[in-house]
Amino acid sequence: QKEVEQNSGPLSVPEGAIASLNCTYSDRGSQSFFWYRQYSGKSPELIMFIYSNGDKEDGRFTAQLNKASQYVSLLIRDSQPSDSATYLCAVSNTGKLIFGQGTTLQVKP
Amino acid sequence: DTGVSQNPRHKITKRGQNVTFRCDPISEHNRLYWYRQTLGQGPEFLTYFQNEAQLEKSRLLSDRFSAERPKGSFSTLEIQRTEQGDSAMYLCASSSPGGIPTKFFGPGTRLTVL
Repeated sequence: QKEVEQNSGPLSVPEGAIASLNCTYSDRGSQSFFWYRQYSGKSPELIMFIYSNGDKEDGRFTAQLNKASQYVSLLIRDSQPSDSATYLCAVSNTGKLIFGQGTTLQVKP
Repeated sequence: DTGVSQNPRHKITKRGQNVTFRCDPISEHNRLYWYRQTLGQGPEFLTYFQNEAQLEKSRLLSDRFSAERPKGSFSTLEIQRTEQGDSAMYLCASSSPGGIPTKFFGPGTRLTVL
């Protein structure tokens, strides 16, 4: 079992819709959770991070944690074509990040 | 704040050659991380430093890989006797001290082993 699992996609949504991205993690001791966006050929860019004590909203982005199910989600409201990218979920326990393989999101105009 | 920088940005080498990459973190960041990313995969942890001390090294990292951060500032990652399987993007990230575990990535070094 991989430590962090994501559906590789692609996830396709129309412009203006809500995109829902998910990942599961295996280490119950994980304390912080990250979502990165990565455009093709570029390095990952941090979008949001949350601690194990709660959800977080930042503009069009909402990160949610379900500790009982060991499940993290990222919601993107009013999706734009510029949101088309690979979204990487990562978890941290001892300082280093463990990444999932990423989900490719396609937002169609 | 100039961000994390990495050099070179691209490196093409022949199998069996040694290569060295450099990472300059954000100046006040005391933690520095190396990751490797292959096509279609997420970044894979290699090693990390707190100041000049190497705190953790991935068990997946063979003895051909070595990293240093001699003065707690920039870091180098050396790969000896490169193999075609070493072809990947090598990413460096840095993190500030204190409670925010944010990791800022550099632009990466793309290694191609022929």
